[in-house]
Amino acid sequence: SQKIEQNSEALNIQEGKTATLTCNYTNYSPAYLQWYRQDPGRGPVFLLLIRENEKEKRKERLKVTFDTTLKQSLFHITASQPADSATYLCAPQGHNYGQNFVFGPGTRLSVLP
Amino acid sequence: SAVISQKPSRDICQRGTSLTIQCQVDSQVTMMFWYRQQPGQSLTLIATANQGSEATYESGFVIDKFPISRPNLTFSTLTVSNMSPEDSSIYLCSVEESDNAYGYTFGSGTRLTVV
Repeated sequence: SQKIEQNSEALNIQEGKTATLTCNYTNYSPAYLQWYRQDPGRGPVFLLLIRENEKEKRKERLKVTFDTTLKQSLFHITASQPADSATYLCAPQGHNYGQNFVFGPGTRLSVLP
Repeated sequence: SAVISQKPSRDICQRGTSLTIQCQVDSQVTMMFWYRQQPGQSLTLIATANQGSEATYESGFVIDKFPISRPNLTFSTLTVSNMSPEDSSIYLCSVEESDNAYGYTFGSGTRLTVV
């Protein structure tokens, strides 16, 4: 069965450093991989989507990579700020529209001032 | 991007009763999705709601327990029936937006506690 793992349940880093979050998947060949941010008591907020034929995608301080050989996506936040503290979820998506949209368990990031 | 209004935001219900959660979108969307997020867990897809047809349920979820309505392209409801404490969760609706590079927009969620 499909399995999605995110590198750690929680990650603490100092303000100004780069945070790197990992998403690994098995028994799955996603066409897209999405990253979301979720704050306590709120619904997830879409951040970035990367397609299987893209190696890298950037948006402001965010960068996502997608390695279909390693079955892994890396999510980077550069120059991190305390406001970046949240849970980050990866979500691989299949080729068919609306197919089996599965979320990873999430990594809770804390950026310390 | 679409704006989703989800009601109620929270509720405390007696076991054996039912609760209907409403999801209103400010634009027409083809597919709406319902998720459950149990305490400390990630999101699990319950079902996909299509207008004009029965919802498609994921493994482990059945229509008798989670009936869904989708009367038009901007509205859907999820009912949690015959509730037990194990149903205590956050329930979220979601839509896909083609102008958001296929990202999904979520409602703010309904925090349900069954006592």
